[in-house]
Amino acid sequence: EDQVTQSPEALRLQEGESSSLNCSYTVSGLRGLFWYRQDPGKGPEFLFTLYSAGEEKEKERLKATLTKKESFLHITAPKPEDSATYLCAVHPIKAAGNKLTFGGGTRVLVKP
Amino acid sequence: NAGVMQNPRHLVRRRGQEARLRCSPMKGHSHVYWYRQLPEEGLKFMVYLQKENIIDESGMPKERFSAEFPKEGPSILRIQQVVRGDSAAYFCASSPLLAPKGNEQFFGPGTRLTVL
Repeated sequence: EDQVTQSPEALRLQEGESSSLNCSYTVSGLRGLFWYRQDPGKGPEFLFTLYSAGEEKEKERLKATLTKKESFLHITAPKPEDSATYLCAVHPIKAAGNKLTFGGGTRVLVKP
Repeated sequence: NAGVMQNPRHLVRRRGQEARLRCSPMKGHSHVYWYRQLPEEGLKFMVYLQKENIIDESGMPKERFSAEFPKEGPSILRIQQVVRGDSAAYFCASSPLLAPKGNEQFFGPGTRLTVL
């Protein structure tokens, strides 16, 4: 069964304190791995898609990387507006249809 | 370019009533997905539809839940005879024609269903 585990569950950072979020996955084969940001009371906002091990993508203070077993979301010099829940999801090759399997998310709080 | 639209944003129903949730995908997107987010839990896939077809409903409860995506109009998620355990946020997502690799799904703001 496809599984996605995110750690830590929650992360408190001081403004400017860089850190990394982990997404470990177990799938029969990976078509794509996705990162989303979700603010309270809102829908997930698409951030990145990663397709193959070694791939990296960047957007402002965020950088996502991918290996064969896990993905990291690095937050460099975070600001309070980076506070959100970050969700990781996988699209397995053998998944029926196009369904995504999500992890439980990491709640990030950046204090000024 | 409008994003995925969902309505209503909040819905309150009493036990035994019906709930109808609507989703209009992004312009140019022909694939629609419904996910449910229970309190303190992650997003769980429910159903995947294309116009007039249900492609994958493996995540949908067998009873009381149904979904459609007609030729004209929004996709509808229907919950009959709601129970308190149906209280959750229901999110719709859409994607364009399936890409050769993974497909980015873009989410709407969600409908928060409360069952009294």
